Amino acid sequence: KQEVTQIPAALSVPEGENLVLNCSFTDSAIYNLQWFRQDPGKGLTSLLLIQSSQREQTSGRLNASLDKSSGRSTLYIAASQPGDSATYLCAVRWSNDYKLSFGAGTTVTVRA
Amino acid sequence: DTGVSQDPRHKITKRGQNVTFRCDPISEHNRLYWYRQTLGQGPEFLTYFQNEAQLEKSRLLSDRFSAERPKGSFSTLEIQRTEQGDSAMYLCASSTRVTGGPGYNEQFFGPGTRLTVL
Repeated sequence: KQEVTQIPAALSVPEGENLVLNCSFTDSAIYNLQWFRQDPGKGLTSLLLIQSSQREQTSGRLNASLDKSSGRSTLYIAASQPGDSATYLCAVRWSNDYKLSFGAGTTVTVRA
Repeated sequence: DTGVSQDPRHKITKRGQNVTFRCDPISEHNRLYWYRQTLGQGPEFLTYFQNEAQLEKSRLLSDRFSAERPKGSFSTLEIQRTEQGDSAMYLCASSTRVTGGPGYNEQFFGPGTRLTVL
């Protein structure tokens, strides 16, 4: 069964610390992978999209890596700020499919 | 480009009533998706349109649910005879298959419609 898992479910760090968020998936036949941010009660904001042929993608303080062979993606957020507090969701689009399969998310709290 | 919009943002209804939600995708995005998200979980896929054609429906979409996308523009999701288990956030997303265009194969989400069934 194709599944996406995010561990831990919650994370609390002091301001300034680098964040490392993990995403694992059970099938290496992926088309692409997206990382999203979700604030409480709001919709999803796309952060980064990694195509299956790519190893990493960067945007500002955010860097996402992809290792299909081990079924993992990691989102790094450098020098965390209180404004980074949110739930971060990983979503996989499997090959020959259109829909996204989501993990349950990691809720991040950055303490000032 | 104003992003994906959804209406209403919040809906409270009584069990047994019908509700309809609307989604306006990013202009010229030919793919449109509906997802449902319950508290503490990631979104789950409901259905997918390419232009006006509904190409896939999840088993989550019981016969009480129907979705349309007339003329390949906006989409509506209707839930008939609502049940308390239908309470969730309903999210719409869109993407384009035009190669090289902005957001190619990237799904952009709207703000969602929060449904509460009493």
